[in-house]
Amino acid sequence: EDQVTQSPEALRLQEGESSSLNCSYTVSGLRGLFWYRQDPGKGPEFLFTLYSAGEEKEKERLKATLTKKESFLHITAPKPEDSATYLCAVQEGSNYQLIWGAGTKLIIKP
Amino acid sequence: DAGVTQSPTHLIKTRGQQVTLRCSPKSGHDTVSWYQQALGQGPQFIFQYYEEEERQRGNFPDRFSGHQFPNYSSELNVNALLLGDSALYLCASSLGLAGTSYEQYFGPGTRLTVT
Repeated sequence: EDQVTQSPEALRLQEGESSSLNCSYTVSGLRGLFWYRQDPGKGPEFLFTLYSAGEEKEKERLKATLTKKESFLHITAPKPEDSATYLCAVQEGSNYQLIWGAGTKLIIKP
Repeated sequence: DAGVTQSPTHLIKTRGQQVTLRCSPKSGHDTVSWYQQALGQGPQFIFQYYEEEERQRGNFPDRFSGHQFPNYSSELNVNALLLGDSALYLCASSLGLAGTSYEQYFGPGTRLTVT
């Protein structure tokens, strides 16, 4: 069964303290891996798409990387406004449905 | 550039009632997907519409149905509401089905409470 697991469930950091979030997946024939940010009570906001192992993408303080079995979302020198739930989703082969993880709730303390 | 819009933002219904949620996709997008998100969970795929047809469906009962209009907007209908249907319902739009880029853009969601 295709699965997406995110860890940790929650992460509390001090402002400026860098860390990484993990998304591991078991799908056959990855078509794409997507990272989203979700603020409370709002819809997910698209961040990145990764298509193949070794690919990296950056946006401000965020950097996403992809291996054959997992993806990392690295956050460098985070600020309180980076506090949100970060969701990972994968698309398998010819299946257009996205399979989602449960998310990592990130809290950045000033 | 208008993003994805959904209406209403909040809704309270009683068990057994029926509800219709509406979505307008991002300008230029032709595909609409619907998701149910319970508190503390990732979104669960309900179904996807393209060219006014349901193209793919997740593991949801027939009480959940939908429609896509010629202008690409979409409706989600839920019949015989259960308490467990209480959730945030998200609409996402994207461009086409077979492109190399499959980024979905989400609306703000409709919070449905069933009492």
